[in-house]
Amino acid sequence: DAGITQSPRHKVTETGTPVTLRCHQTENHRYMYWYRQDPGHGLRLIHYSYGVKDTDKGEVSDGYSVSRSKTEDFLLTLESATSSQTSVYFCAMSVQDNEQFFGPGTRLTVL
Amino acid sequence: AQSVTQPDIHITVSEGASLELRCNYSYGATPYLFWYVQSPGQGLQLLLKYFSGDTLVQGIKGFEAEFKRSQSSFNLRKPSVHWSDAAEYFCAVTNNAGNMLTFGGGTRLMVKP
Repeated sequence: DAGITQSPRHKVTETGTPVTLRCHQTENHRYMYWYRQDPGHGLRLIHYSYGVKDTDKGEVSDGYSVSRSKTEDFLLTLESATSSQTSVYFCAMSVQDNEQFFGPGTRLTVL
Repeated sequence: AQSVTQPDIHITVSEGASLELRCNYSYGATPYLFWYVQSPGQGLQLLLKYFSGDTLVQGIKGFEAEFKRSQSSFNLRKPSVHWSDAAEYFCAVTNNAGNMLTFGGGTRLMVKP
């Protein structure tokens, strides 16, 4: 999708391993978000950022950390992955009128 | 705290039939409401949004939604469904600051030929 990319798109890892997911935008938007999507739960907010080095927790932040050293990059880190963190992760950015534009997603499997 | 309920987990309709997907929200002030669609293996695409003004909003792909404050609802409708509409649909609400988008659990739509 134009404007926002996620890497990797797929990852399989083992329990206890650190994992970092990257979100990159090319449009200089201030607000960025990380969500996880699980069946029956829709999307749930993990963390969000409102500027470089400015982040805050969302609904399901336990076990996750984020960093934003540049406007265009928002990183999500699982310090020690667990099987409960197997999910599809979406990054998003606020574009206008509180509308959020989503990236293509990263499918993470923790064995 | 804000919340969104989509009562129907799965819906099956015949191609050409009309469609209504239900969405109920809980929010103390005037909500900002959205409908997103997700095709299998894809990201989310915005169908339409409501902020204020006319309570009937038009979106892409022939969809519309009506905001009813008295019922705390924002139902999505389409007069004639196409096979390509088969997907999962999410209703969402956010606050004025726009930094806490809350999603419903989603409704999976299947279309019979």
